[in-house]
Amino acid sequence: QVQLQESGPGLVKPSQTLSLTCTVSGGSISSGSYYWNWIRQPAGKGLEWIGRIYSRGSANYHPSLERRVTISLDTSKNLFSLKLTSVTAADTAVYYCARDGLAAADYWGPGTLVSVSS
Amino acid sequence: QSVLTQPPSVSGAPGQRVTISCTGSKSNIGAGYGVHWYQQRPGTAPTLLIYGDFNRPSGVPDRFSASKSGTSGSLAITGLQAEDEADYFCQSYDSSLSAYVFGAGTKVTVL
Repeated sequence: QVQLQESGPGLVKPSQTLSLTCTVSGGSISSGSYYWNWIRQPAGKGLEWIGRIYSRGSANYHPSLERRVTISLDTSKNLFSLKLTSVTAADTAVYYCARDGLAAADYWGPGTLVSVSS
Repeated sequence: QSVLTQPPSVSGAPGQRVTISCTGSKSNIGAGYGVHWYQQRPGTAPTLLIYGDFNRPSGVPDRFSASKSGTSGSLAITGLQAEDEADYFCQSYDSSLSAYVFGAGTKVTVL
């Protein structure tokens, strides 16, 4: 059974960089034809896809965030990471990591709340 | 405003059937990209309910079904149960945006 777990600071100051990791257990992130996603959800609102990285390393990002986002793999630690630069209050949200299998996000982490505030 | 349009809420009595629509356009659902549905109970992460327009992952009750036609997808819940009270989101890919997009979500209330 694949499990994902987000981790990282719960509070980030405006203009700084948000950094999160998603540790995967129950399977290798570098095997199989999977995409590993970051998705966020502001309080009381809908889901927003941030981007994803293929198990072989290529990444795609939402055009509205592309200039500020980097998603990377660390196969030695079986995790993938999200970096979002120049954050503002609008980036406050619950951040989820999720695996794309079945052409949809079939496994999700529990989510981690990141607040942007001084 | 979401690229995929869902009704904000639907409700039904236990045992009834409810449907949730997901209306897109020629650059997403109408282009043939798959529609996926997620259920999200309060305070928890979404879970995959339907993938590829109408397929249920193992473990999802057959009370949940979905279809797609033209630029819209639809999720049906038959034999509504109290545990079905949740938010439901549709998702597809949009070629104009080159991004995966979600609907704003539909809150299902069991009366």
